[in-house]
Amino acid sequence: SQTIHQWPATLVQPVGSPLSLECTVEGTSNPNLYWYRQAAGRGLQLLFYSVGIGQISSEVPQNLSASRPQDRQFILSSKKLLLSDSGFYLCAARLAGSQETQYFGPGTRLLVL
Amino acid sequence: EDKVVQSPLSLVVHEGDTVTLNCSYEVTNFRSLLWYKQEKKAPTFLFMLTSSGIEKKSGRLSSILDKKELFSILNITATQTGDSAIYLCAVASGGSNYKLTFGKGTLLTVNP
Repeated sequence: SQTIHQWPATLVQPVGSPLSLECTVEGTSNPNLYWYRQAAGRGLQLLFYSVGIGQISSEVPQNLSASRPQDRQFILSSKKLLLSDSGFYLCAARLAGSQETQYFGPGTRLLVL
Repeated sequence: EDKVVQSPLSLVVHEGDTVTLNCSYEVTNFRSLLWYKQEKKAPTFLFMLTSSGIEKKSGRLSSILDKKELFSILNITATQTGDSAIYLCAVASGGSNYKLTFGKGTLLTVNP
């Protein structure tokens, strides 16, 4: 069965600093991968999704970017963090050939001060 | 723009009560509706519903979809304190590269 890892679990960063959050998937090939942000513990906002290596679709204009350098690796980045980037970041995977169910990683809690 | 609305936003009950959580939606090219439970960390998958009128059941939880009226309900019978969580409804819509649109969730608190 698949496992989704996210790193780090918690991060405190100053405003203006860079960001790199990593998501890796085990136990499957060619998944669709997603980055979501959840603010104040409610409602998930889709940020980016990827259907393959190097293919990124952005849902919301913002201070963030995403990359997929390998089939099972998805990275969320920023060059300069804003206070409003604070939140809970979740990576999700939809397995190749499966229906619409997305499975989530454990999340990264980001606090920008 | 796709929209998913959950109600109530927050609910406090006593152990043993039965609760009904609601989810209504307006989306283009509906594919399925999903329910997730979120405790402290990542949402965990509960149900996926694609057909109207067919109840999905897992223990004390059950869910049903009405595609004509565009809503779904999640029932929890004989609630326990371990049922306390945010319950998220999401609708998959679009083509082969579909997206999930999430509601804001219902925060359920079950008191002993």
